[in-house]
Amino acid sequence: DSGVTQTPKHLITATGQRVTLRCSPRSGDLSVYWYQQSLDQGLQFLIHYYNGEERAKGNILERFSAQQFPDLHSELNLSSLELGDSALYFCASSPGTGPAFFGQGTRLTVV
Amino acid sequence: AQRVTQPEKLLSVFKGAPVELKCNYSYSGSPELFWYVQYSRQRLQLLLRHISRESIKGFTADLNKGETSFHLKKPFAQEEDSAMYYCALKTSYDKVIFGPGTSLSVIP
Repeated sequence: DSGVTQTPKHLITATGQRVTLRCSPRSGDLSVYWYQQSLDQGLQFLIHYYNGEERAKGNILERFSAQQFPDLHSELNLSSLELGDSALYFCASSPGTGPAFFGQGTRLTVV
Repeated sequence: AQRVTQPEKLLSVFKGAPVELKCNYSYSGSPELFWYVQYSRQRLQLLLRHISRESIKGFTADLNKGETSFHLKKPFAQEEDSAMYYCALKTSYDKVIFGPGTSLSVIP
C-alpha cells in the first residue's frame, strides 16, 4: 500500500455529465500529480500541485480542472464528459521531486 | 518539445540474461529522469531516479546527456522482474512526462 488513496475506484457516467475524482496523498506529502492513462495515449500528465498551488499543467482540457485543498487532498473535476474521456485517472504524491507514491486509480467509463 | 521515447514495446529475455530497457528523451533544459515499474495488478511504483544514483532490485540507470539516454540495466534478469517499465522526464517546470512503456517478460 503506497498510502495514496483515490476514490471512487470505478465510475460510470453518461456523456455530458460532470464528475469529481478525489485523491488523498500520503501523509506529509505536499505534491500531488494527476495523470490520465488510456490504451492509445499512454500516461498523460495533467497537472501538478504543490502545497495548494498549481505548479505545472500538461495537456489538460479546459473541461477539466483540479485543486488542492489546505489538508492537501486534491480533486480532479471533469465536466461535459465525452466518450473519449473514458480512462484510468491516477494521482501520485511525493515528498520531493517527481511522483513517488501512486494511487490505484479511478476507472472512468463514459457511456 | 519535451518527449520520452522507449523504442521497445515488448522485450523478452531469459532468466539470468542481462537486460537493458532503452529510454531516450528530448529536452533542451536540465533533465531529471526516473524509472517506474508496474507489476501485474499492482500500482505504479518509483523504481529509481537518476539524481540518487541508486541501485534498486539490482537495476541501475545512468544518465547520458550526450546521447540523451537513460537506459535501465540489470546484469541478471529474474522472473519477478517481469513487469511494465516506464521512463519519465521531469522538466524545470515541474512537469513529469512518461514514455509509452516497455513490457518486460523474463522467460524461465
